[in-house]
Amino acid sequence: GAGVSQTPSNKVTEKGKYVELRCDPISGHTALYWYRQSLGQGPEFLIYFQGTGAADDSGLPNDRFFAVRPEGSVSTLKIQRTERGDSAVYLCASSLTGGMLDTEAFFGQGTRLTVV
Amino acid sequence: AQSVTQPDIHITVSEGASLELRCNYSYGATPYLFWYVQSPGQGLQLLLKYFSGDTLVQGIKGFEAEFKRSQSSFNLRKPSVHWSDAAEYFCAGGSGGYQKVTFGTGTKLQVIP
Repeated sequence: GAGVSQTPSNKVTEKGKYVELRCDPISGHTALYWYRQSLGQGPEFLIYFQGTGAADDSGLPNDRFFAVRPEGSVSTLKIQRTERGDSAVYLCASSLTGGMLDTEAFFGQGTRLTVV
Repeated sequence: AQSVTQPDIHITVSEGASLELRCNYSYGATPYLFWYVQSPGQGLQLLLKYFSGDTLVQGIKGFEAEFKRSQSSFNLRKPSVHWSDAAEYFCAGGSGGYQKVTFGTGTKLQVIP
């Protein structure tokens, strides 16, 4: 596709369940980011991949959150034992090389996660 | 802490009027500064970026921003607003060595006829 694709666009889950959110970056982009945007807030950094490895995971709030990018393209954000406070829009972005300070990052439209 | 602050939550301007959205930053070294726009149903889009050099930065869609070190500000401007500019605008910043940006809380722009 031409842009960053995130699936599903909406996800409703029950408290305590496990969820996976998928991000398909722009083809050839080596850098991939996950951000979380709560209602009325700006996006909050979660994790940054360069290729297959997590270059910076300092934004993951706790060990219930985990992300992978096994082949350096698609990434999955995994949330265990979901809590109502996890409800937010999860945004993915990719950039061609380096990171988003040096090269333009392109954002997907996000996955709206609602934990009930 | 390194951060950006957007003091205005919501701004309303008339179509054709000029626009200035405020952003203040708190970074020790010269920061990377950005403005992004988020329209309903659209992903965040980069409007412009500053890192050293000319303090007046031109962006897409007729926007510009000026870096003022003395005021720790990076305000976004547009001389004449169009109805299609109605959106939420985020200022963001980052510093060397960390390839991530920190976003402000956003300013929602309403454009009235």
